[in-house]
Amino acid sequence: GAVVSQHPSRVICKSGTSVKIECRSLDFQATTMFWYRQFPKQSLMLMATSNEGSKATYEQGVEKDKFLINHASLTLSTLTVTSAHPEDSSFYICSARAVRTVLNEQFFGPGTRLTVL
Amino acid sequence: AQSVTQLDSQVPVFEEAPVELRCNYSSSVSVYLFWYVQYPNQGLQLLLKYLSGSTLVESINGFEAEFNKSQTSFHLRKPSVHISDTAEYFCAVRESTGGGNKLTFGTGTQLKVEL
Repeated sequence: GAVVSQHPSRVICKSGTSVKIECRSLDFQATTMFWYRQFPKQSLMLMATSNEGSKATYEQGVEKDKFLINHASLTLSTLTVTSAHPEDSSFYICSARAVRTVLNEQFFGPGTRLTVL
Repeated sequence: AQSVTQLDSQVPVFEEAPVELRCNYSSSVSVYLFWYVQYPNQGLQLLLKYLSGSTLVESINGFEAEFNKSQTSFHLRKPSVHISDTAEYFCAVRESTGGGNKLTFGTGTQLKVEL
């Protein structure tokens, strides 16, 4: 149980285009989903927290107009990188927290490798 | 606010040797502690966690970690490593009260097991 998927696993796009990444909780309902960014050989940095049906909360320094997050249902959150540039190339990982989880444990997706040419 | 320090960015070790990956944290409130493992080009997998109770926690694949409150540490150990343990290991903390969700990660330790 507690499986989180991400799609696509890899994406290569041209500079200036937008890319959408999906995060799904496959066997549980997630009231909260988190989006992280990981640069090579560095730790995960939380970008934003999204709650189903409400606006995402962005961490300081993260441009909300560039990284659009939608959490339309209890099993799906999307991250759209708008007008992507080479510096947006990174590994994006989502995690999901289950409804009524006493300990608020997060379950992580396998990540999406974004390369912007 | 919390912070996590993993002093060792890389730890090379021979197969069947013991290993310890260090993790120290700083927090003004009580925390839960986690170790995650990340294999190349994959997401994070929870390895083990300390929530309460016994300070020594174990994983199913032979890793263990001990919570030391006085030293604010949660070092990860394995008495005999295998090639398949080669991965990046992240220590993380989260507030245990107030319903906080935010995980704070360390910078990771690359464990490289050699023959």
